[in-house]
Amino acid sequence: GEDVEQSLFLSVREGDSSVINCTYTDSSSTYLYWYKQEPGAGLQLLTYIFSNMDMKQDQRLTVLLNKKDKHLSLRIADTQTGDSAIYFCAEKVGTGRRALTFGSGTRLQVQP
Amino acid sequence: NAGVTQTPKFRVLKTGQSMTLLCAQDMNHEYMYWYRQDPGMGLRLIHYSVGEGTTAKGEVPDGYNVSRLKKQNFLLGLESAAPSQTSVYFCASSGPATYEQYFGPGTRLTVT
Repeated sequence: GEDVEQSLFLSVREGDSSVINCTYTDSSSTYLYWYKQEPGAGLQLLTYIFSNMDMKQDQRLTVLLNKKDKHLSLRIADTQTGDSAIYFCAEKVGTGRRALTFGSGTRLQVQP
Repeated sequence: NAGVTQTPKFRVLKTGQSMTLLCAQDMNHEYMYWYRQDPGMGLRLIHYSVGEGTTAKGEVPDGYNVSRLKKQNFLLGLESAAPSQTSVYFCASSGPATYEQYFGPGTRLTVT
């Protein structure tokens, strides 16, 4: 079945790197996503990775995928106070309905 | 280009009342989705649509109905609201060639 899990909370200091982790259970996941949600707003797509990739880098963001362990991580370099938000991991499984399964979100708090 | 818009932004209903949430997208996307977001539970799929005139059930469809009469609009209806439907509702859309979803800003619904 589909299940995506994330830790609830992460606190870092401004300028440090943040690493947000996610585990998923469905080995047939084809795409994995990271979304950001700021207070009172909708979800904003940050980045995604295809299941045949191990790593993807996009400016300050680095996504690492370990398919063997079904583990996905999002690293934010030089974390800024504007990065404070909830980060959701999501997976797309197979070629069916195209809907995503979301984790419960990790709240990132960046302290000045 | 407004992306995905939702109306209303906030609503308070009494138990048993009905209402319709409207989602509109201007990206000519085929696929549209309704999610609900509850604290600590991530997003759960209510209903989705793979094209004009078609709808299908998601994970938590009970108590909701949907319609997709026009490609750009996806309506979510609550026929008889219950306190358990207090939530934040998000609409999303995605195109045929990409899998990432674009979200609206959300509707915060309270049922008393």
